[in-house]
Amino acid sequence: GENVEQHPSTLSVQEGDSAVIKCTYSDSASNYFPWYKQELGKRPQLIIDIRSNVGEKKDQRIAVTLNKTAKHFSLHITETQPEDSAVYFCASRGGASGGSYIPTFGRGTSLIVHP
Amino acid sequence: DAGVTQSPTHLIKTRGQQVTLRCSPKSGHDTVSWYQQALGQGPQFIFQYYEEEERQRGNFPDRFSGHQFPNYSSELNVNALLLGDSALYLCASSLSGGYTFGSGTRLTVV
Repeated sequence: GENVEQHPSTLSVQEGDSAVIKCTYSDSASNYFPWYKQELGKRPQLIIDIRSNVGEKKDQRIAVTLNKTAKHFSLHITETQPEDSAVYFCASRGGASGGSYIPTFGRGTSLIVHP
Repeated sequence: DAGVTQSPTHLIKTRGQQVTLRCSPKSGHDTVSWYQQALGQGPQFIFQYYEEEERQRGNFPDRFSGHQFPNYSSELNVNALLLGDSALYLCASSLSGGYTFGSGTRLTVV
C-alpha cells in the first residue's frame, strides 16, 4: 500500500519567516495531494490541495509544489503568523485513474510560530 | 450548509464494553470514511463506506465494524473495548477531491 513520509515532525520559526514541510509518497498511481491543518482540539481542515497534472498551486501565503518524478510534494507558508501554529498533515490519494481512493496521511508536522 | 456532524463529542467507556459512534456527512457527500487518531499521530484509516457497502478497510481488527444508511449517514461500532482504543475518532465525508472532517468523538476507555 501507499506510504507517506512527512518531515520535519516539529518546526519552530519566528513570525514573518517562511516554513516548508516536505512529504514523500510511494505509490506512483497517486494523483491527488491534500494538506490539512489541525489546531489543538479541533478537526483537520483542508487548506490546499494539488492534483498530479500541475506542479504548483498558490493560495495567498500558502503554496504547494509537486514533483511526480521524485514522488515528493511540499507545503510552503510565507510571512508566518502566530495563528499559523498548528499540526499540518499531508496526504496522498489515488482515484479512478489508479491507486487507492483512500488518502494515506503523513504523521504530521507541529508548526510553532513565535511572535 | 451543515458540515460533517459527529456524535457524541466525548465518551467514557469501560474496558470490554461496546460503543457506537455516529456521523452525518456534509450535504451532497455520498462517501463516509472513519479514522482513528491517537494523540500526536496522524489519522489512521479504519474503513470507508460508499452506497451502503464497505468499500475499503484499513488494518483494524474485526472488533471494528460499521454501517452506512440510505441517507449516507454512518455508524462506527467497536466491540470488546481495549484501553488502546482510546483516541479521537474522526469521520470524513467526500464526493470527490478532499475530505471534510467532522470534529470527532473523543473516546476514553478506562
